[in-house]
Amino acid sequence: DTGVSQNPRHKITKRGQNVTFRCDPISEHNRLYWYRQTLGQGPEFLTYFQNEAQLEKSRLLSDRFSAERPKGSFSTLEIQRTEQGDSAMYLCASSPRDREYEQYFGPGTRLTVT
Amino acid sequence: AQKVTQAQTEISVVEKEDVTLDCVYETRDTTYYLFWYKQPPSGELVFLIRRNSFDEQNEISGRYSWNFQKSTSSFNFTITASQVVDSAVYFCALSEGLGASGYALNFGKGTSLLVTP
Repeated sequence: DTGVSQNPRHKITKRGQNVTFRCDPISEHNRLYWYRQTLGQGPEFLTYFQNEAQLEKSRLLSDRFSAERPKGSFSTLEIQRTEQGDSAMYLCASSPRDREYEQYFGPGTRLTVT
Repeated sequence: AQKVTQAQTEISVVEKEDVTLDCVYETRDTTYYLFWYKQPPSGELVFLIRRNSFDEQNEISGRYSWNFQKSTSSFNFTITASQVVDSAVYFCALSEGLGASGYALNFGKGTSLLVTP
């Protein structure tokens, strides 16, 4: 089984630019999650998909953030008009149908906004 | 509100010592799940264990063991005979139910473990 993959692994962008990250979950995992992790902190939940439906969004997910999972497989997370405070590691996780409480994480995308 | 507290920010031990990482949680849910994850320097979170709230049996897996005590809301993790490869940040997490059988994980701030030769 290949694990969760995320691209790119690193992204450096200038303030005000838009960025998009991609997550490919483990095959046949129907649940997909996005988290954000800042330095010295644990990951914080951003949003949740079951198949292609986005069912939950954290208050951390401002209007500048949008996530999609158009065919219920891979997902994208877009940040518009990036700010320095958006600098963080963005983690994706997926869960299998029969063990919905277990989450398997990808390697993350580290975003640096200059 | 849910909360996970890992009071130990950093721990340093010498190889072969035993080390216990503490985790205390708060929740109003009657059914919940607790987890431990390992985050090595490479950054990827590695799933170590899941424990259901209704199962208080302790668990041992090789050099790892976990002590779940509902009465004190604690879920501690012990590494026996630590090795340099155990050096990582360890996170304790608590599930929060979302709609339609989804779960968000609430993580503690992590404990950074350094094992020196």
